[in-house]
Amino acid sequence: AQSVAQPEDQVNVAEGNPLTVKCTYSVSGNPYLFWYVQYPNRGLQFLLKYITGDNLVKGSYGFEAEFNKSQTSFHLKKPSALVSDSALYFCAVRDGYNQGGKLIFGQGTELSVKP
Amino acid sequence: DAGVIQSPRHEVTEMGQEVTLRCKPISGHDYLFWYRQTMMRGLELLIYFNNNVPIDDSGMPEDRFSAKMPNASFSTLKIQPSEPRDSAVYFCASTRGGGNQPQHFGDGTRLSIL
Repeated sequence: AQSVAQPEDQVNVAEGNPLTVKCTYSVSGNPYLFWYVQYPNRGLQFLLKYITGDNLVKGSYGFEAEFNKSQTSFHLKKPSALVSDSALYFCAVRDGYNQGGKLIFGQGTELSVKP
Repeated sequence: DAGVIQSPRHEVTEMGQEVTLRCKPISGHDYLFWYRQTMMRGLELLIYFNNNVPIDDSGMPEDRFSAKMPNASFSTLKIQPSEPRDSAVYFCASTRGGGNQPQHFGDGTRLSIL
C-alpha cells in the first residue's frame, strides 16, 4: 500500500539558516512526489514535484527537494530560511501505476522560522 | 486564471441541519477531489471524480455524506443530517490529466456544527 511519512511534526529554524523538512514514502511503482505548503486559512499550494529525471528538483520560493530512491526519501530544503516560510508543509505521493490522479498526503510538518 | 473557487468560506449551523458545500474547479481540469482537514485526522480524501463521474468514494465517512458533479464546472458536497463531529475545513482541488500534474486547491470551507 502507498504511504507517506513526515517524521517531524514541527521543525524550528533560525532565519538565515538552512532548513530541511523530511519525507519518506512507500509505493509499488515509480513514485510521483509532490510538496505543498499551507498558510493559515488558505488551501494547499503546490511547491515542486519529482516525476523523473534529475534527483534535485527546484520549485517556488527558493525551495528544492532531493529524490533518493535507495532511501525512499524526498526531503524539502532551502539554503536560507525566511520568517515568511513559516507554514505547514505536506509531502504527497502518487503511485506511477495509478492513473487516477489520487495523491496520498503525509500528516504535515509545521515549520517555524524565528528572526 | 481563476483558481478553484469554494463557497461558502465559512458555515456555522446547528446539528441536524443540511449543509451544502460548493466547488468550481479550474476550467479544463478533468479531475476533482474533495478533502477534509482536522487537527486530529489531518488531510483526508473523501471522494474524487474524473470527467464528472465518481471514481473513488471510499473516504466518505458515512451515508450522511454525498457528493455530486452535475457538470464539468460545478460540484457539491452535502451532509445531511450534520453532526458536531463533521466540523472541519473542507477543501476542493482539481487537476488536469491525473498524471504528473499537481492538484490545485481552493481556500476551503470552514464548517462548524453546533
